[in-house]
Amino acid sequence: KAGVTQTPRYLIKTRGQQVTLSCSPISGHRSVSWYQQTPGQGLQFLFEYFSETQRNKGNFPGRFSGRQFSNSRSEMNVSTLELGDSALYLCASSLGSGGRQTGELFFGEGSRLTVL
Amino acid sequence: AQSVTQLDSHVSVSEGTPVLLRCNYSSSYSPSLFWYVQHPNKGLQLLLKYTSAATLVKGINGFEAEFKKSETSFHLTKPSAHMSDAAEYFCVVSDLLGKLVFGAGTILRVKS
Repeated sequence: KAGVTQTPRYLIKTRGQQVTLSCSPISGHRSVSWYQQTPGQGLQFLFEYFSETQRNKGNFPGRFSGRQFSNSRSEMNVSTLELGDSALYLCASSLGSGGRQTGELFFGEGSRLTVL
Repeated sequence: AQSVTQLDSHVSVSEGTPVLLRCNYSSSYSPSLFWYVQHPNKGLQLLLKYTSAATLVKGINGFEAEFKKSETSFHLTKPSAHMSDAAEYFCVVSDLLGKLVFGAGTILRVKS
């Protein structure tokens, strides 16, 4: 069974640009969550989608957005990039909505974004 | 609000010796707790989970953790460290909505 696939794995952008990251969950998983990982702030929850609906949202500005498609694939977008957006963005999928219910998230290897 | 505190940012052990990674949690209700591991340049992998069943939880690769409500702790242990255990470990609590709250992480170094 294929794992969670994130693309691109690495990318470099400049301030003010926007970026779109993609996540393909494990087949059959309907929930996709996004996390931002930085050395200073650690792992922070961005949002969760289940059956194309946003179920949970973290404390990030509106520049961060996401969506989920009918095949459960998800994208997240960051507009007007800032230097502080440089991070590893991790996507995780699970069978049900919320890690509490299923007890397990399956993570991809992440997309490493560098903003210059 | 739920939170976890990992008491050590770095732990160093010799190969073959026991591992102890400490985690305290704060929760206003009976929590779901997890330990995840992240190897360099990799995503996170679930080691074990506690969801109000047995207080001693066994995970993969010989790791286990004990839920102690009186001490609000969920420490991760392994009897004998292996070089491949070198990684960053995260203690995690889930809120009622299923959002995971991660600890700051503990980097485990295993010396040969």
